[in-house]
Amino acid sequence: AQKITQTQPGMFVQEKEAVTLDCTYDTSDQSYGLFWYKQPSSGEMIFLIYQGSYDEQNATEGRYSLNFQKARKSANLVISASQLGDSAMYFCAMREGSYNTDKLIFGTGTRLQVFP
Amino acid sequence: DAGVTQSPTHLIKTRGQQVTLRCSPKSGHDTVSWYQQALGQGPQFIFQYYEEEERQRGNFPDRFSGHQFPNYSSELNVNALLLGDSALYLCASSLVAWDRVTDTQYFGPGTRLTVL
Repeated sequence: AQKITQTQPGMFVQEKEAVTLDCTYDTSDQSYGLFWYKQPSSGEMIFLIYQGSYDEQNATEGRYSLNFQKARKSANLVISASQLGDSAMYFCAMREGSYNTDKLIFGTGTRLQVFP
Repeated sequence: DAGVTQSPTHLIKTRGQQVTLRCSPKSGHDTVSWYQQALGQGPQFIFQYYEEEERQRGNFPDRFSGHQFPNYSSELNVNALLLGDSALYLCASSLVAWDRVTDTQYFGPGTRLTVL
């Protein structure tokens, strides 16, 4: 069964430093998508970055990059130059590629705290 | 460009009552998905609506039902509320992509339901 694992319940990082949030996944499908979302205390899930299973290059969006290692089934999020506003919960999610499977499977999340 | 909107923001009900939550998708999107997020957990997929029909359903009882209107907005109904239904309910909208897999799901701010 498809599964997302986030093993870091919480992470601390100093402002302006880089941080890596871990995500491993399990699927038997060849076509799938991997997503990272940010959830501030307000509750809204904010889309950050997407990586398709057939994409050869690692995805990047501004200060966010996704370290995609297909053989290891990992999709770690790297945040460069952390800011105080980055403090939030971060969720890794997966969508399998078949027509009838559009749902997102989420991990349990990592709480990131950025300190001055 | 308006994002995904949800109403109400907060709701308090008692056991056995019924509740209706509403969602308006992002402009240009035709698909709406609903998720339940219990405290301290990742979101769990409830169901997805496309072309006014339930396209896919997660592991939720029949007490959870929904509807999609011609303007793509959607409602989530929960009957016979239980204490365990207390959660943040998130709506996400997306657009069916060329390969019939939906594009990135964008989330609304959520409705926080408390059942007493």
